[in-house]
Amino acid sequence: NAGVTQTPKFQVLKTGQSMTLQCAQDMNHNSMYWYRQDPGMGLRLIYYSASEGTTDKGEVPNGYNVSRLNKREFSLRLESAAPSQTSVYFCASSAGTGSQETQYFGPGTRLLVL
Amino acid sequence: QQPVQSPQAVILREGEDAVINCSSSKALYSVHWYRQKHGEAPVFLMILLKGGEQKGHDKISASFNEKKQQSSLYLTASQLSYSGTYFCGTPFGAGSYQLTFGKGTKLSVIP
Repeated sequence: NAGVTQTPKFQVLKTGQSMTLQCAQDMNHNSMYWYRQDPGMGLRLIYYSASEGTTDKGEVPNGYNVSRLNKREFSLRLESAAPSQTSVYFCASSAGTGSQETQYFGPGTRLLVL
Repeated sequence: QQPVQSPQAVILREGEDAVINCSSSKALYSVHWYRQKHGEAPVFLMILLKGGEQKGHDKISASFNEKKQQSSLYLTASQLSYSGTYFCGTPFGAGSYQLTFGKGTKLSVIP
């Protein structure tokens, strides 16, 4: 039981390049989330998926797109990376409604955009 | 709107106690507490779902005052392993899937 896994663990991009961050969970959870964490800012929600087939914007969605590929997988795509997207990205999942359920976090992806 | 945590940072010696506060300008429907060690993912500590609720986990406990729109995390007889950054998270609204997190309180426990 691996929980929530993320790939890659670390990535360096040049401005304008694109990439996809992958996330998978093996806990049969319905809801999945993408957060970014910047120094002194806490965790900010980018997008979430309440259930398979649905996605919704969070607090800071600009510059990102997501795909809920199936119940297990939720990917985050940066179409044209900018230095402001340098951050640590965490994927999380929960069994049900995020406000009443534990969220389980993946190990994070550290992204540097030059 | 982000909940506000205080203090921003605290240094304790082993065995000392600490209180971390989380307050909101809007109604609180639940409060989540997480701990994050340096370079690692946040780890769930506890959820408080209703006003007046108190919970404990080992020597870490929390209370939720719905009327005051705040929650407090209590760490007693702190251990080195308690070091990390503590975050509170609150839902955007009743039944909301979205949590908004405070900026965190960095706790350092020294021998």
